[in-house]
Amino acid sequence: DIVMTQSAPSLPVTPGEPASISCRSSQSLLDSNDHNYLDWYLQKPGQSPQVLIYLGSNRASGVPDRFSGSGSGTDFTLKISRVEAEDVGVYYCMQALQTPITFGQGTRLEI
Amino acid sequence: EVQLVESGGDLVKPGGSLRLSCAASGFVFTKAWLSWVRQAPGKGLEWVGRIKSKGDGETRDYAAPVKGRFTISRDDSKNTVYLQMNSLKTEDTAVYYCTTDVLGIFYNYWGQGTLVTVSS
Repeated sequence: DIVMTQSAPSLPVTPGEPASISCRSSQSLLDSNDHNYLDWYLQKPGQSPQVLIYLGSNRASGVPDRFSGSGSGTDFTLKISRVEAEDVGVYYCMQALQTPITFGQGTRLEI
Repeated sequence: EVQLVESGGDLVKPGGSLRLSCAASGFVFTKAWLSWVRQAPGKGLEWVGRIKSKGDGETRDYAAPVKGRFTISRDDSKNTVYLQMNSLKTEDTAVYYCTTDVLGIFYNYWGQGTLVTVSS
């Protein structure tokens, strides 16, 4: 199984400031078509998760452009250019390269 | 508007069975892949399993902790996906989410979840 590791369980941030969350996989998520099968999800308090980024760097429909994803292979980063109060919640990375699909343990963004 | 509505969550004793349903609307269900993801109280997300569309062979995949005990099925005439859970264990206690699985790439829609509690 591919193990997903997020760098920190929590991340205190200041509104208006940037933030970044790291995720590492135990094996490369790059497939033969040069796609990284890495997604980012945000679970706001009391809500279901929602997709932010798919295939490493593609912003999902309706996601503000302050969110961006980067990285390749085994190291990935989610960046928020300017944190807003509504961004609080738990951020999860997820590998979709192979089953079993696996998630990182989550990083709680705290303001 | 896409909607996924889970139901069937309940309190059940260890060793018991339960069937969850997820009623879908707002998209072409017959072509959809659907997955189940669970979240134990205060914990992170855990993938349970997936069912592909009939056109893609209706292939099912399961996480190791549930393989042989859980079965995912679908009824395209009812736009509903099911999760049959047998031989339930206390560690199966969780909120179970139904999601639309975009060709194995990402989960773009999620239901509100249904709580399963396994306890004596």
